Amino acid sequence: SQQGEEDPQALSIQEGENATMNCSYKTSINNLQWYRQNSGRGLVHLILIRSNEREKHSGRLRVTLDTSKKSSSLLITASRAADTASYFCATGGGSNYKLTFGKGTLLTVNP
Amino acid sequence: GAVVSQHPSRVICKSGTSVKIECRSLDFQATTMFWYRQFPKQSLMLMATSNEGSKATYEQGVEKDKFLINHASLTLSTLTVTSAHPEDSSFYICSATPSMRDSPLHFGNGTRLTVT
Repeated sequence: SQQGEEDPQALSIQEGENATMNCSYKTSINNLQWYRQNSGRGLVHLILIRSNEREKHSGRLRVTLDTSKKSSSLLITASRAADTASYFCATGGGSNYKLTFGKGTLLTVNP
Repeated sequence: GAVVSQHPSRVICKSGTSVKIECRSLDFQATTMFWYRQFPKQSLMLMATSNEGSKATYEQGVEKDKFLINHASLTLSTLTVTSAHPEDSSFYICSATPSMRDSPLHFGNGTRLTVT
């Protein structure tokens, strides 16, 4: 069953704007990860935030985690056309390293 | 960075034949690899967990006799789709982990299987 649920399912913005995607999950977690998938390709790991962290930055990416609400958000600032992709949150990664992925947000950045 | 190579990227086969997909970790040892299936515009569905030197663990609803997984070394796992049918047409993706705490998964580029 899907653990993470991304919102919105699809997001279309103009280059230069910020994009915010949200993820909700159901059970307790060790960490939450965000991945990106270009069409027809594999996934690329973007960022991992541990359950005891509230915010993390990596370049133009900012991830927040609210364990009380069981939710996370991914913010991409100053978006570029090359950011067009699907973005997935994933939870799990316990002793069996198994991750469960959400349904993803399809981000389209228009030039 | 960690690289996972998946081969082939595309394969077309006739109904009833078998297809083998390879997943290799190129610069790290992967005691654990995962095989996913992805339908168009949907999320990844975990099929099985492949552990080096032992039998794979299949998720509920995945036929182990149809999707044969072999993890013979620390850098190679294979998925064989046996007696393929058109409904097996899908995008198959492997991932690998160096099995350290909080280490991310590293994904191959996927295999587009089309069964005619």
